[in-house]
Order: sequence, then C-alpha cells, then structure tokens
Amino acid sequence: GDSVTQMEGPVTLSEEAFLTINCTYTATGYPSLFWYVQYPGEGLQLLLKATKADDKGSNKGFEATYRKETTSFHLEKGSVQVSDSAVYFCARAYGGSQGNLIFGKGTKLSVKP
Amino acid sequence: NAGVMQNPRHLVRRRGQEARLRCSPMKGHSHVYWYRQLPEEGLKFMVYLQKENIIDESGMPKERFSAEFPKEGPSILRIQQVVRGDSAAYFCASSPGEDTQYFGPGTRLTVL
Repeated sequence: GDSVTQMEGPVTLSEEAFLTINCTYTATGYPSLFWYVQYPGEGLQLLLKATKADDKGSNKGFEATYRKETTSFHLEKGSVQVSDSAVYFCARAYGGSQGNLIFGKGTKLSVKP
Repeated sequence: NAGVMQNPRHLVRRRGQEARLRCSPMKGHSHVYWYRQLPEEGLKFMVYLQKENIIDESGMPKERFSAEFPKEGPSILRIQQVVRGDSAAYFCASSPGEDTQYFGPGTRLTVL
C-alpha cells in the first residue's frame, strides 16, 4: 500500500556537520511531498514541500528534491545548528491535491555544540 | 493571521470518562484534519472534515470516537469512555483546500 519510509534515528551530529535524512515513498502517480519538523513539546511545522517531479523545496537552509526515478525526497542541510535539534517527518499527500497525509515514523536529530 | 488553535493543550481523564478536543482552523480554511500520534511514532490520519461534512473517516476507530465540524465554531473530536490506550497527542491541521496542511500545537491526552 501507500507508505513513507524514513531512515531510522536517532541521528547525532556535531554543529556545522552535513545532514541527510533519507525518505522514500510508494505511490501511484505523483503526490505532493512534504517535510515537517517537530520541536520538543510542540506541534508540527511545515518545513518545505514539493508538488511535482524535479521540484526542489527549500527553507531555512534545508533542501529536498522530488525524485520520481528513485521515489525519494531526501532532506539535506549543509551546516546544522544546535537549534535544528528536533524530530523530522517526511510525508506525502494521500490522494491527488488534497486529503490526508501519510507520514513516515520520524527521525530524531540531535546536534551537539 | 492566527495559526491553528487547539484546546486544551493537556487533558487528563480517568478511564470511562469522555474527552472533548477542540480545534479552530486558520482563518479562511474550511478543511480540517485530525491525526493521532502515539509515543515514539509518526502521525496517523483519523478523519478529514469540511464544514458540516465528514469527507473521510477511514482512520477513525469504529467505536467511541466521533468528530464534527459545525457551520459555526470549532471542530470537535470526541472520545467516549476513554481507555488507557487512547493516551496520545492529538493534532489538528487545516488547509484552504489545497494540499498544504498547517498543524496546531496538539492536545496531549492522558488517561489514568
């Protein structure tokens, strides 16, 4: 069935290190793809999105490119900060342009000074 | 433009009681979604509503759970006769009809 698979955490990095969090999806068609971030004790915030193949979403130094060939949407950041410590969720739209989202299980990132 | 509002932020109930969770969508948003997050897990879709209509409730447990989004006022997720397994964070999201959903801060339900 339709699903989203993320690399398992936790991921621990030193400040200024390069970050990659892998995300792959299964789908019939080309759903919109999202990355959400959840800081401790808070709700989810939309980090970035891409709505069609080859789109690149970007925000706050984070980037992800919609790759239909590999059905992937990996999250990257060139230089992480302590304030980036959070749980990151990859998600895809379920049906067409609207409808519920299907989430990965989340990847916890800890950045050490 | 205020974000999605949820209240209460924390709710404690004893087994058998009722829990009512409220969600006020962002201004101009007519689509509301409810998700549940169990500890150490991702969010699971529960129900999708538009004003006065349930569009998709495929993720709702068949018993004890109900949701509404009246013409006036917030969306309500209602859990009757709560059990310990209902303890979770419940998140509401809203959208203007496009695919991007904006999430509230969540209600953390604890069942004693």
